Amino acid sequence: DGGITQSPKYLFRKEGQNVTLSCEQNLNHDAMYWYRQDPGQGLRLIYYSQIVNDFQKGDIAEGYSVSREKKESFPLTVTSAQKNPTAFYLCASSLERYYNEQFFGPGTRLTVL
Amino acid sequence: AQKITQTQPGMFVQEKEAVTLDCTYDTSDPSYGLFWYKQPSSGEMIFLIYQGSYDQQNATEGRYSLNFQKARKSANLVISASQLGDSAMYFCAMRERDNYGQNFVFGPGTRLSVLP
Repeated sequence: DGGITQSPKYLFRKEGQNVTLSCEQNLNHDAMYWYRQDPGQGLRLIYYSQIVNDFQKGDIAEGYSVSREKKESFPLTVTSAQKNPTAFYLCASSLERYYNEQFFGPGTRLTVL
Repeated sequence: AQKITQTQPGMFVQEKEAVTLDCTYDTSDPSYGLFWYKQPSSGEMIFLIYQGSYDQQNATEGRYSLNFQKARKSANLVISASQLGDSAMYFCAMRERDNYGQNFVFGPGTRLSVLP
């Protein structure tokens, strides 16, 4: 079955620690995205990548980093510089035309203690 | 300025009735796509329906239809015969070109509650 996987589903970390969220897709999509969602709010773009080895900052990139070494993988690192990292993180992918929708992973709920 | 506006933070509808969720957008790109997603309390994002900027007819997918008024830049979602399982957050999104490629912009969402 094709789709997007995110792991883990729930993640707990101590304040000041870096943490990496995994996102893998087997849909052969070129574009991949990371969003942050706070309770009762919409989706805010952190980073996105249209091709391997290239990515762009979104609206709230400060305190986050990404890599895109393989087409199917787009891991997100939440660094200690992120002031309020507790949130729900969604990864998505899509083909590159304007009429292609995004496919989303199940999300990772990060809690920083 | 907001690119996607959803003016209804919350909506209530009686089971089996129809409901319209509003969405207006702003873009200067002639080629764009409009999408609606549903997010139940589990958090997953479910794609519902798509409308392209060049489409002449309104999109329909089962109980979902999109009321597309291009001149007014509105793309309202209509859900017919509401069911209890339709209770969720609904997001309107637009895909357009930016300096890097094709990107998505999401609205703030509307929380729909279906009453028995």
